[in-house]
Amino acid sequence: QKEVEQNSGPLSVPEGAIASLNCTYSDRGSQSFFWYRQYSGKSPELIMSIYSNGDKEDGRFTAQLNKASQYVSLLIRDSQPSDSATYLCAVTRLTGNQFYFGTGTSLTVIP
Amino acid sequence: DGGITQSPKYLFRKEGQNVTLSCEQNLNHDAMYWYRQDPGQGLRLIYYSQIVNDFQKGDIAEGYSVSREKKESFPLTVTSAQKNPTAFYLCASSKGRGQGIFNTGELFFGEGSRLTVL
Repeated sequence: QKEVEQNSGPLSVPEGAIASLNCTYSDRGSQSFFWYRQYSGKSPELIMSIYSNGDKEDGRFTAQLNKASQYVSLLIRDSQPSDSATYLCAVTRLTGNQFYFGTGTSLTVIP
Repeated sequence: DGGITQSPKYLFRKEGQNVTLSCEQNLNHDAMYWYRQDPGQGLRLIYYSQIVNDFQKGDIAEGYSVSREKKESFPLTVTSAQKNPTAFYLCASSKGRGQGIFNTGELFFGEGSRLTVL
């Protein structure tokens, strides 16, 4: 079983819609959770981090964490064509310094 | 501005040659990482270092070597033993464990180095 799993997509949404990206993880001891955005040919850029159960909002982005279900999601409201990218989910354990990445979900926002 | 600098951005190598990719950070981070990304693939960990003069192998260390002589620097050498080195290489850093045992902080990436073997 992979440490972190994401649906590879592609996910397509119309401009202005809500995009929902999902991620599951296998280690119940996981501590910290991150969402990165990666444009084609560029390096990943951190957009959200979440450490406790519940929702965390930052502008048009909302991260949701449910540790009981081992599930973390990212909602993008009012999606824009500039949101078209691959979104990577990353997880760390309680100890150690490794970050475990999913393979990413490709999102296309259609104008 | 604080950040992570990778060089070169593009590199071409002939088969049988070793090449070294540079990574420098001025974020005062303890932990540094090297990842490899192939087209349409996720990130795979090559090596990581939690502290100066110490580093650990990641999932795909064969054919690569690193050093961590200074906190700011974590160069990666792609040796001729690496059978398929053409890829996008990403250096990253995080605060690391600091004085405690718990992982702290987020991971930040450099702009990457794209290596092509001719």
